Amino acid sequence: QVSLKESGPGILQPFQTLSLTCSFSGFSLGTSNMGVGWIRQTSGKGLEYLATIWWDDDKYFNPSLNSRLTVSKDTSNNQAFLKITSVDTADTGTYYCTQSQLGAQDYWGQGVMVTVSS
Amino acid sequence: DIQMTQSPASLSASLGETVTIECRASEDIYSNLAWYQQKPGNSPQLLIYDANSLADGVPSRFSGSGSGTQYSLKINSLQSEDVASYFCQQYNNYPPTFGSGTKLEIK
Repeated sequence: QVSLKESGPGILQPFQTLSLTCSFSGFSLGTSNMGVGWIRQTSGKGLEYLATIWWDDDKYFNPSLNSRLTVSKDTSNNQAFLKITSVDTADTGTYYCTQSQLGAQDYWGQGVMVTVSS
Repeated sequence: DIQMTQSPASLSASLGETVTIECRASEDIYSNLAWYQQKPGNSPQLLIYDANSLADGVPSRFSGSGSGTQYSLKINSLQSEDVASYFCQQYNNYPPTFGSGTKLEIK
């Protein structure tokens, strides 16, 4: 049974770095063709793809945020991580991590709300 | 980026009715399309992948079809638990992109 759960700071100030953790069970990021993706949902842009980290440590970033994103993983502890630098109010929203194997986002976490406010 | 145009933005239908939601891609996505259901207060859940394959545990009243740039999601025999927002997503090209969603309500 696949399960994912995001955790993060909740509130942060402009120009800070957002750090999110995805803790998952029911699959391994050591398995071929397995990936963990990050998607956010904002009032301004709806559902927006951010990045994916794959089982072989390959990574893909949305070019619109490329320079601000970092993804990493801890395969042994079934965790994946997302960092977004220099946040502003447009980054306010709900952030999801997902399991992805063949393109679609097969399973989603419950999401974590992030508010950027001074 | 591939643009996904979804229609209608909102939909009201009666229990037992059949409803159809459309999604048009700005270029051919070769059936690399998924549909998601997001119930109020919850995260999106995969309904359909590869345009017409039902995800595990999804009721058979949901079906997907289409090819090229035009795709649709059909819900037969609408149930109260189908009240949700529905989103399409293409994953043929990176970055994957989503439609703006259809909010389905019961009349």
